[in-house]
Amino acid sequence: GDSVTQMEGPVTLSEEAFLTINCTYTATGYPSLFWYVQYPGEGLQLLLKATKADDKGSNKGFEATYRKETTSFHLEKGSVQVSDSAVYFCALFLRSGNTPLVFGKGTRLSVIA
Amino acid sequence: DVKVTQSSRYLVKRTGEKVFLECVQDMDHENMFWYRQDPGLGLRLIYFSYDVKMKEKGDIPEGYSVSREKKERFSLILESASTNQTSMYLCASSSLSPGQGLAFFGQGTRLTVV
Repeated sequence: GDSVTQMEGPVTLSEEAFLTINCTYTATGYPSLFWYVQYPGEGLQLLLKATKADDKGSNKGFEATYRKETTSFHLEKGSVQVSDSAVYFCALFLRSGNTPLVFGKGTRLSVIA
Repeated sequence: DVKVTQSSRYLVKRTGEKVFLECVQDMDHENMFWYRQDPGLGLRLIYFSYDVKMKEKGDIPEGYSVSREKKERFSLILESASTNQTSMYLCASSSLSPGQGLAFFGQGTRLTVV
């Protein structure tokens, strides 16, 4: 079936460090890909998305590029801040039918000053 | 501003009680979802609905039921609460538009069953 695998956490970084959270997917069709973020005590919210191969999604300094050849959508940020501490979820959506989003298990990021 | 509202942030219920979790969205979305979130397990889909009075089982429907009598409201029902249903419950909604897949989430309900 369709699935998303993302790196295990937790990830702890110092402020201004470079962040990479790996995400790979398996899908029967041609999915759209998403990163969602969950700040402490809140629900999930969309961080960025990409709908076709080689698209780059970006928001709040975060970027991810849809790599069809490696079935990956890794999240990156050049310089993290304490306020980026959150749980990050990679997700895919198949555009055929009423299928729900498929989420990875989430990666907890802690940024320390 | 789009909004998905869950009726409670925190709930404490006793084993065997019937529990209702309510979710309302104001975006006229066709699709609505209930997930539970547990440490190390991520988000797991319980039920979803793509139209009024329609429902589909997700990955872990056992012990749960749902109701969607109006487009904007999707209720999750724990028929007889058990301690293993202690969890964070998240409601979400999305548009039916092809290629979207963008979901909006409520703030979550942390349910404790004692």
